[in-house]
Amino acid sequence: RKEVEQDPGPFNVPEGATVAFNCTYSNSASQSFFWYRQDCRKEPKLLMSVYSSGNEDGRFTAQLNRASQYISLLIRDSKLSDSATYLCVVTEGGGATNKLIFGTGTLLAVQP
Amino acid sequence: NAGVMQNPRHLVRRRGQEARLRCSPMKGHSHVYWYRQLPEEGLKFMVYLQKENIIDESGMPKERFSAEFPKEGPSILRIQQVVRGDSAAYFCASSPKTSGSPYEQYFGPGTRLTVT
Repeated sequence: RKEVEQDPGPFNVPEGATVAFNCTYSNSASQSFFWYRQDCRKEPKLLMSVYSSGNEDGRFTAQLNRASQYISLLIRDSKLSDSATYLCVVTEGGGATNKLIFGTGTLLAVQP
Repeated sequence: NAGVMQNPRHLVRRRGQEARLRCSPMKGHSHVYWYRQLPEEGLKFMVYLQKENIIDESGMPKERFSAEFPKEGPSILRIQQVVRGDSAAYFCASSPKTSGSPYEQYFGPGTRLTVT
């Protein structure tokens, strides 16, 4: 079983649509959770951290369910510029390491 | 306010040569991480360093790969006797002291290594 699993997509949606990505992680000791976005042949960019209470940043809402080991990202009113690969990322677990474990990403293509 | 800097951005090496990849963390960040992204794959952790210390190298291949973060200067990822399978994008990330959480890491633009 992969440590972080995501639906690879692609998700093809029209501008203005709402799209949701889901992610599951296998290590119950993971303590920190993130969504990054990666444009083609570019570096990952931090989109948002994910907190247990859920958090929102503009059109983006992230949710975390520790009991189910499940993370989600909701994008409302999609823009063409949202087209990218969205990476679900968790830390490995307790201890001194800050190792990030990446999912393979979900590709989003927003169509005009 | 410069972000994480990496150089070179592109590096071509013949099989058997050495590759040296450099990373300067964001100002105020004392933690450096190296990740590798093979073609069509996700990012994989390689090593985590603080100044003059390797904290976690569990993702480093056992041979040919080494990393350092000296007291002065950038962090260096060194690959000796490169092989075609080393062709990948190598990303460096940095974070501030982890007195708080979460451990947000910010990535540099990467070095694309091509081994011919």
